Amino acid sequence: NAGVTQTPKFQVLKTGQSMTLQCAQDMNHNSMYWYRQDPGMGLRLIYYSASEGTTDKGEVPNGYNVSRLNKREFSLRLESAAPSQTSVYFCASSEAGGTHEQYFGPGTRLTVT
Amino acid sequence: DAKTTQPPSMDCAEGRAANLPCNHSTISGNEYVYWYRQIHSQGPQYIIHGLKNNETNEMASLIITEDRKSSTLILPHATLRDTAVYYCIAGGATNKLIFGTGTLLAVQP
Repeated sequence: NAGVTQTPKFQVLKTGQSMTLQCAQDMNHNSMYWYRQDPGMGLRLIYYSASEGTTDKGEVPNGYNVSRLNKREFSLRLESAAPSQTSVYFCASSEAGGTHEQYFGPGTRLTVT
Repeated sequence: DAKTTQPPSMDCAEGRAANLPCNHSTISGNEYVYWYRQIHSQGPQYIIHGLKNNETNEMASLIITEDRKSSTLILPHATLRDTAVYYCIAGGATNKLIFGTGTLLAVQP
């Protein structure tokens, strides 16, 4: 039982490049989330998926797109990376309908130059 | 979701109880209080949550005041491994959690 896994662990991009961050969970959770954390700051919600087939915007969705590929996988795409998107990205999952515990992955450290 | 206020940092001696306060004076009746922690640069870890009653699990206890405007997370016997940033979050009825900047708890040997 790996929990929540994220790939890659580290990435360096040039401004304007695109990339997709991958997230997968093996806990059969319905809900999945993408957060970003800037240095010295708390986490901010980018997008979430309450259940397979649905996605919704969080606090800071601009510049990102998401895909809930199936129940296990939730990807985050940066179409045209900007230095302001340099951050640590965390994926999380939780059961829907009453369970509030979110399980987090180890994070992806992204630098955009 | 209600805003929470936490002290930016606290110290605690190893082996003693750590009491972390949180103010959530604008919390509404159907909003929960959640506590998470983040050790170094790892992903956050769920600790405990509650609505009205005090709660206890194997990690910690959560004491919520009767008016629900504040709460305290208690780590009964802090260890060096409990050094982390602790986040108090109010809300999340839709499973959306809004993290603030938290309290950095430093457990001293």
